[in-house]
Amino acid sequence: DGGITQSPKYLFRKEGQNVTLSCEQNLNHDAMYWYRQDPGQGLRLIYYSQIVNDFQKGDIAEGYSVSREKKESFPLTVTSAQKNPTAFYLCASTKGETGSNEQFFGPGTRLTVL
Amino acid sequence: LAKTTQPISMDSYEGQEVNITCSHNNIATNDYITWYQQFPSQGPRFIIQGYKTKVTNEVASLFIPADRKSSTLSLPRVSLSDTAVYYCLVGAVDKLIFGTGTRLQVFP
Repeated sequence: DGGITQSPKYLFRKEGQNVTLSCEQNLNHDAMYWYRQDPGQGLRLIYYSQIVNDFQKGDIAEGYSVSREKKESFPLTVTSAQKNPTAFYLCASTKGETGSNEQFFGPGTRLTVL
Repeated sequence: LAKTTQPISMDSYEGQEVNITCSHNNIATNDYITWYQQFPSQGPRFIIQGYKTKVTNEVASLFIPADRKSSTLSLPRVSLSDTAVYYCLVGAVDKLIFGTGTRLQVFP
């Protein structure tokens, strides 16, 4: 089955530690995205990548970093510079076709800072 | 960038038709309009997408007026399982913007 996988489902981090969230897709999609969702809130864009080895900051990129070395992978690192990282993180991908914005989402990773 | 506005919440009863409207005054010429459904602790799920006029699939209809400055998601005969948050999404691939979301509560 084609789809997007995120791991781990739950992640706990101590303050001051960096942590990397995994996102993999086998849909052969060009574009990939990372969103953050806080309780009762909507999705906010962290980073996005339209092609391999290229990515752009979204609305809340501070304290996060990404890489796109392979088309199917778009890991997100939450650094110690992110002051309030406890949230639900969602990865998504799209085909990259002009105009169409149908996104396919992964199941999410819930990050808790202890 | 097209910003969207939706009602924060809506209530309905099982079997009724629900219409959720999204306002997107600054929509660009090549932007599509897409709606998603999200249950707690899950990723959003695609419902329907359109560019103009009316689009219908097996779960919903999407109505888009000629000026495309708004759109209405119509859910026929809702059930308890339709209780969720619904997001309106406008934009091309390089800059996708989620609306605030509408929390739909369906009562028996």
